[in-house]
Amino acid sequence: DGGITQSPKYLFRKEGQNVTLSCEQNLNHDAMYWYRQDPGQGLRLIYYSQIVNDFQKGDIAEGYSVSREKKESFPLTVTSAQKNPTAFYLCASSRNQQPYTQYFGPGTRLTVL
Amino acid sequence: GENVEQHPSTLSVQEGDSAVIKCTYSDSASNYFPWYKQELGKRPQLIIDIRSNVGEKKDQRIAVTLNKTAKHFSLHITETQPEDSAVYFCAANRDDKIIFGKGTRLHILP
Repeated sequence: DGGITQSPKYLFRKEGQNVTLSCEQNLNHDAMYWYRQDPGQGLRLIYYSQIVNDFQKGDIAEGYSVSREKKESFPLTVTSAQKNPTAFYLCASSRNQQPYTQYFGPGTRLTVL
Repeated sequence: GENVEQHPSTLSVQEGDSAVIKCTYSDSASNYFPWYKQELGKRPQLIIDIRSNVGEKKDQRIAVTLNKTAKHFSLHITETQPEDSAVYFCAANRDDKIIFGKGTRLHILP
């Protein structure tokens, strides 16, 4: 998991602004994931991508967008349409084969002011 | 789809005692069950996992058991130490994804 980086560590946003969270991995993993973590809610899947130029919605995709132009990178944009964006965001990656064991980045804590 | 239930949500044990966290899953096709430990403000880290072809796996003070018939699996931590204090997540695979439980906050009391 040391091969996955996220930036920034802390991010502050004003209401109505879009922000983009960075996730990079050098593990040569094909699959990448974005999760949102709220207290007592566990890890909820936002988007995931199994291959470059392709991605699928997770359970809570509304108000978020992603791109996967490179294998190493999977940025997440939190748009102004996301009504409650304050949360801890975790990126993960895995091989694109069973059992899809996931390794996490250090996370970005987003706070809307 | 897969649903993973985890209990208890909070657990306090005396240092040196054992801790047990239990999870159930709904999809009989699930065949991979990882456990993650997350310390405060840090990333979840894989601590142990088990596949459906075995009933138990052990790694030093931690062990996981799996009952496929009943669709439940458990994490056992023996001889607990202060550094075991964290949030623990169980998970099960569903197709090409991993579904997580809501977590158990484990407190080790001095």
